[in-house]
Amino acid sequence: EAGVVQSPRYKIIEKKQPVAFWCNPISGHNTLYWYLQNLGQGPELLIRYENEEAVDDSQLPKDRFSAERLKGVDSTLKIQPAELGDSAVYLCASSSTGNEAFFGQGTRLTVV
Amino acid sequence: GNSVTQMEGPVTLSEEAFLTINCTYTATGYPSLFWYVQYPGEGLQLLLKATKADDKGSNKGFEATYRKETTSFHLEKGSVQVSDSAVYFCALSDWSTGGFKTIFGAGTRLFVKA
Repeated sequence: EAGVVQSPRYKIIEKKQPVAFWCNPISGHNTLYWYLQNLGQGPELLIRYENEEAVDDSQLPKDRFSAERLKGVDSTLKIQPAELGDSAVYLCASSSTGNEAFFGQGTRLTVV
Repeated sequence: GNSVTQMEGPVTLSEEAFLTINCTYTATGYPSLFWYVQYPGEGLQLLLKATKADDKGSNKGFEATYRKETTSFHLEKGSVQVSDSAVYFCALSDWSTGGFKTIFGAGTRLFVKA
């Protein structure tokens, strides 16, 4: 069974530029999460999808961040424009209802 | 709201020492509890879980017991190895808007010396 796939693994951009991250969850998993992980800290939830519906986006900075999960499968997280403080690892995870979350390898973003 | 608190690291042990990493939680419902591990350069992976009070999760010699009375889920291992060096995250999953929400503690880094 394929795991959660994220791309790209690494991204370096200049501040004020846009950037997008892609996630393909485990087949059949209805819940998809995007987390932000700063160095030395635990993952912090940005947004949670149940199928195609964003049910919890209270921690998503909506002035510059957006996300979508068309057809309830793949998801894209976008930042526009990026700021220096956005440098972090962006993690995607998926789960079937009520069970443990499975994580992708993450995308390490560096904003210069 | 729900939260997870775990002991600060780093924790440095010699090989074959006993390990305890403390984790306590607050939750409004009846959460499932998890320990995840992140080895250097790798993604988070589930180490063990417990879904109800008094359950004991175990894997690779690690154990944790879901203690509802003390709202704790401490991670233990009787004899650590160098290969256990990693960051350990305590997490809970509880019912929230539209489904289950998983939140994490800040992580505890473990160094094991040969």
